[in-house]
Amino acid sequence: TQLLEQSPQFLSIQEGENLTVYCNSSSVFSSLQWYRQEPGEGPVLLVTVVTGGEVKKLKRLTFQFGDARKDSSLHITAAQPGDTGLYLCAGAKSNYQLIWGAGTKLIIKP
Amino acid sequence: NAGVTQTPKFQVLKTGQSMTLQCAQDMNHEYMSWYRQDPGMGLRLIHYSVGAGITDQGEVPNGYNVSRSTTEDFPLRLLSAAPSQTSVYFCASSWTSGKDTQYFGPGTRLTVL
Repeated sequence: TQLLEQSPQFLSIQEGENLTVYCNSSSVFSSLQWYRQEPGEGPVLLVTVVTGGEVKKLKRLTFQFGDARKDSSLHITAAQPGDTGLYLCAGAKSNYQLIWGAGTKLIIKP
Repeated sequence: NAGVTQTPKFQVLKTGQSMTLQCAQDMNHEYMSWYRQDPGMGLRLIHYSVGAGITDQGEVPNGYNVSRSTTEDFPLRLLSAAPSQTSVYFCASSWTSGKDTQYFGPGTRLTVL
């Protein structure tokens, strides 16, 4: 059972464009993490959001946690080729288990 | 610090063979976990441990065993490999729980023929 749905599954855009990817669930999570994974490597944490409505910025990346703590979005402004990767969201189901989305594969073309 | 290390990087097994995937961390993390990553399915938790001597099952534990005799090491054993276990396996560690930042190893790509 996939509790976290990510969309789109795949996105290919030109350098300089803006984009948003989504992470949705019918379940409430106490916190939600976003990771980026590059080919042949493990995921690396980008940000953790904890409070409903919270917005965090990491340079050109803006992360938002939904008010009800069931969904989240990642917005990238002026995408660059270095943003290419697989973006994964993970919700804390309990203290000991994370539930992961299937990921959004992002390709930024020069 | 080396962080989280995994060996081997690649492995090919025949159906029915057994093997152990090694995972070690040098960050003194209490929480360690094993995931498998399959296309279109994201990461699925196999087993996890909240400290030496304590392990528990995750979402997909069947066919896998773990033990945690030390804080540093968390090996994953495949008892009798099946083609359905073909996947990329990641070990991760964090300070105390699944809510903390997860630090991942580089992964092991396993093929079962």
